[in-house]
Amino acid sequence: GAVVSQHPSWVICKSGTSVKIECRSLDFQATTMFWYRQFPKQSLMLMATSNEGSKATYEQGVEKDKFLINHASLTLSTLTVTSAHPEDSSFYICSARVGVTGGGRELFFGEGSRLTVL
Amino acid sequence: QKEVEQDPGPLSVPEGAIVSLNCTYSNSAFQYFMWYRQYSRKGPELLMYTYSSGNKEDGRFTAQVDKSSKYISLFIRDSQPSDSATYLCAMSKDNNAGNMLTFGGGTRLMVKP
Repeated sequence: GAVVSQHPSWVICKSGTSVKIECRSLDFQATTMFWYRQFPKQSLMLMATSNEGSKATYEQGVEKDKFLINHASLTLSTLTVTSAHPEDSSFYICSARVGVTGGGRELFFGEGSRLTVL
Repeated sequence: QKEVEQDPGPLSVPEGAIVSLNCTYSNSAFQYFMWYRQYSRKGPELLMYTYSSGNKEDGRFTAQVDKSSKYISLFIRDSQPSDSATYLCAMSKDNNAGNMLTFGGGTRLMVKP
């Protein structure tokens, strides 16, 4: 299957700082990428849909000014957690869609980035 | 009530056992059903993808969908310790990936040697 890479895989930061997480599609171009958050022992919750060259679409309840998403190229989307607080500590996962149609079969996930805010 | 319900487990079985993992859902509009495997601190990996009711087999894995009961299952035959992971069911109403997926909470499976 297609490969989606996330970096960093884990990060620890102080409260009030900003953290950037990168999501790259390594062997395909992804016009659409998705960002999820997963708390311990809970399922994935979609945060936003990232479209190359346009503004991201955020899910209800997700603060767009806190979670900045940039999808500047067909292979890279970034999520920046601004002024991070301990409650932002979570596992952040991205996914990228290979094609336009095909549903879940064309969706590939990154390995996740664990954020711990002290 | 959540749209997709999944027993969190953990489910502990001996090596070689047949494992049955299940999800129930409330929205009859779901038509596409997926099972993902997620190892600890890793992203989900697609295992099975099915459309509408019926069975689908791939190696040791069998996915079963019963739309009339709003119930889906994943069976693992001859389970191995390497199958120890969290299994997430996911479903969607149409064929548009990503923003239309609704995930279950995941079932943690432990296969003991």
